[in-house]
Amino acid sequence: QVQLVQSGAEVKQPGASVKVSCKASGYTLSSYYLHWVRQAPGHALEWMGIINPRGGTTTYAQKFQGRVIMTRDTSTSTVYMELNSLRSEDTAIYYCVRDGRRKGDYWGQGTLVSVSP
Amino acid sequence: DIQLTQSPPSLSASVGDRVTITCQASQDILKYLNWYQQKPGKAPNLLIYDASNLETGVPSKFSGSGSGTDFTLTISNLQPEDIATYFCQQYDNIPWTFGQGTNLEIK
Repeated sequence: QVQLVQSGAEVKQPGASVKVSCKASGYTLSSYYLHWVRQAPGHALEWMGIINPRGGTTTYAQKFQGRVIMTRDTSTSTVYMELNSLRSEDTAIYYCVRDGRRKGDYWGQGTLVSVSP
Repeated sequence: DIQLTQSPPSLSASVGDRVTITCQASQDILKYLNWYQQKPGKAPNLLIYDASNLETGVPSKFSGSGSGTDFTLTISNLQPEDIATYFCQQYDNIPWTFGQGTNLEIK
């Protein structure tokens, strides 16, 4: 069965970077795009960007341009999202989401990133 | 970016009721709207795609309708396990955007 398993919770100081992983199983990673979406406490879901695991091409939300990097390792069926220059407003749960032909059909379990001095 | 206005923000209904949640897009998105259910501490779960198609494995008590700018999610025969937050999401264009969510409670 399809599964997206994310790395564990992180606690970071302001200005630091965080790298969250998302390991796919039950399907061929390169066959589906993957999105990253975050959910800050009390806020709506927020789209961060998309990666095509086949070629590694990415599109990022304008808000995160210059601060986010999405990569993939096809040998381990893993996608990564790195967010730099963290600030308190980046405290959120980060999800990887499979794009099942224009629908988010499978979600990772979420990774809590807490940013605090 | 396409804005989605979801209403109501919260909703309280009785067991057995039928409830409706609406989602309005800031521009025509044809049928490109999904609905998700999110229970506390869990990731969102896809209920409806392409505005009206039931995702595999989702009970038929959930239904969706609409096109263009106006969409609805209907939940029939409300049960305690339906307590959750419901989100709409458009995929006509990147970036994906989401509604603010509707918190559904049982009276």
